[in-house]
Amino acid sequence: EDQVTQSPEALRLQEGESSSLNCSYTVSGLRGLFWYRQDPGKGPEFLFTLYSAGEEKEKERLKATLTKKESFLHITAPKPEDSATYLCAVQDFQGAQKLVFGQGTRLTINP
Amino acid sequence: SQTIHQWPATLVQPVGSPLSLECTVEGTSNPNLYWYRQAAGRGLQLLFYSVGIGQISSEVPQNLSASRPQDRQFILSSKKLLLSDSGFYLCAWSGGTDGKNIQYFGAGTRLSVL
Repeated sequence: EDQVTQSPEALRLQEGESSSLNCSYTVSGLRGLFWYRQDPGKGPEFLFTLYSAGEEKEKERLKATLTKKESFLHITAPKPEDSATYLCAVQDFQGAQKLVFGQGTRLTINP
Repeated sequence: SQTIHQWPATLVQPVGSPLSLECTVEGTSNPNLYWYRQAAGRGLQLLFYSVGIGQISSEVPQNLSASRPQDRQFILSSKKLLLSDSGFYLCAWSGGTDGKNIQYFGAGTRLSVL
């Protein structure tokens, strides 16, 4: 059974203080690893997909990396508007593109 | 461009009452459709998915059911709601032509069963 564990559960940073969020996973065969951002009371917003170990994707202050066991979401010089819950999910080669999600990391950036 | 609509945004229902949540997708054809539930402070739990009209797969045995009467319409239903059915319900679609298998989510429905 596919499993995803995210850490930490919550993270508070000062504006400009860089850090990383972790997503550890076990999957029978990784089709893709997905990062989403979720604001309170809203649906998740797609950020990145990573398909193979060593792959990296960047978007503004965010950078996602992937190894065979985990993924990191690095946030560089964050701003208060980066405050959100960040969700990680994996997809295997079985079934109709189903995603298995972690519980998320709630990120707060203080000005 | 593709868009996904969910309604209602908020719903308060008494225990034992029926439920119907609707989701529609525009701008694509033959999408895969998904219903998720998110408990407070938790990740998303897949409830149902559909790869075509009338084709429904259930992931978790529960008090809910799903139907897909049209290509781009997905409905989540219950005959009698339980307190434990409260939560944030999200509809998603995938199947873009880029082959990237990305799921795109609607805005969600906050359901409170009292």
